[in-house]
Amino acid sequence: GAGVSQTPSNKVTEKGKYVELRCDPISGHTALYWYRQSLGQGPEFLIYFQGTGAADDSGLPNDRFFAVRPEGSVSTLKIQRTERGDSAVYLCASSSGGTGGHEQYFGPGTRLTVT
Amino acid sequence: GEDVEQSLFLSVREGDSSVINCTYTDSSSTYLYWYKQEPGAGLQLLTYIFSNMDMKQDQRLTVLLYNKDKHLSLRIADTQTGDSAIYFCAEKYAAGNKLTFGGGTRVLVKP
Repeated sequence: GAGVSQTPSNKVTEKGKYVELRCDPISGHTALYWYRQSLGQGPEFLIYFQGTGAADDSGLPNDRFFAVRPEGSVSTLKIQRTERGDSAVYLCASSSGGTGGHEQYFGPGTRLTVT
Repeated sequence: GEDVEQSLFLSVREGDSSVINCTYTDSSSTYLYWYKQEPGAGLQLLTYIFSNMDMKQDQRLTVLLYNKDKHLSLRIADTQTGDSAIYFCAEKYAAGNKLTFGGGTRVLVKP
């Protein structure tokens, strides 16, 4: 079946602008995660959804970052007033949830460049 | 705090075995994962092991876990040029949700 998909694959924006990044999880996966990967580093956790609710948003760096998952499937990561330091690859992952479905499967990522 | 550490770089000749090492922080009820990332691509889940296991083998991949020392290794047998990539280890508390990643080990396979 289809894996996790993310759009756009690349996004270039000017400092101060607003951006939205989209994630389509694997069909039937109830858990969805956002991570951010800066150049030369491992991914860092941002937020985790179980169903429609954000169960853990402890990784969001500040209040410019927000994410939603209104119908428990597609999720959108929203970044307001972008800064050059927000430039990174934003990765989305999904899992079927619970102890038996702990494996997280990643999408190809969205490369965000803030100029 | 959580801190997963890996060596930065490994060079290996085609056909030899590669061993990638990782140290992690929590030895209790933890899942440990190995992911592969090729240039411009997302993360591919290779394998995982639970902290109550010592070893897991899956085709050319062998994971060894020394939980007392909080040390994990991934052995790739008969390394091929297609194995050239960055390999990340990650840990997750069994009761938790988020993955904590190491900085990645870049593996270069020379013909």
